[in-house]
Amino acid sequence: QKEVEQNSGPLSVPEGAIASLNCTYSDRVSQSFFWYRQYSGKSPELIMSIYSNGDKEDGRFTAQLNKASQYVSLLIRDSQPSDSATYLCAVGSDYKLSFGAGTTVTVRA
Amino acid sequence: GAVVSQHPSRVICKSGTSVKIECRSLDFQATTMFWYRQFPKQSLMLMATSNEGSKATYEQGVEKDKFLINHASLTLSTLTVTSAHPEDSSFYICSARPPRTARNTIYFGEGSWLTVV
Repeated sequence: QKEVEQNSGPLSVPEGAIASLNCTYSDRVSQSFFWYRQYSGKSPELIMSIYSNGDKEDGRFTAQLNKASQYVSLLIRDSQPSDSATYLCAVGSDYKLSFGAGTTVTVRA
Repeated sequence: GAVVSQHPSRVICKSGTSVKIECRSLDFQATTMFWYRQFPKQSLMLMATSNEGSKATYEQGVEKDKFLINHASLTLSTLTVTSAHPEDSSFYICSARPPRTARNTIYFGEGSWLTVV
């Protein structure tokens, strides 16, 4: 069983719509959760971090964490063509991060 | 966010040669840096944790004699791929955790594309 699982996509959404990305993890003692955006051929860029159950909003992004269900999600509101990228879910315990394979999002203009 | 710089961004080397990749934290001191490898359309895989002034900690399955890591200062870690082979061709990314930041938050360098021919 993979430590961090994401749907690979591609997830195609029209411009202005909400993109919803999901991630599940296997290690119950995980303490920190991140979403990174990775454009093709580039390194990941941190867009959200969340540590407690519930929602965390930052601009057009909302991360949701449910530790009981071992589930973390990312909502992208008012999706823009520039949001087209691969989104990596990362889960941390102690100092290590484990990454999912990423979900590719395509925003159609 | 914090700035982590990697060099070179792209390198092509001949099979059997060695290549060194540098990772620098530009505006903070990093006692710990991390090296990842990413094959196309795959996840980032942690290769090793680089600790300033001590030996790196390698993940299971990563050959420490092939992937030499040196963390000689608080702002520089290097990864040397020795006796490179075509299967070592990959995207190598370093990261670092600035001090006094939220737990486990790391920032990535720009990455280095290695092609072994």
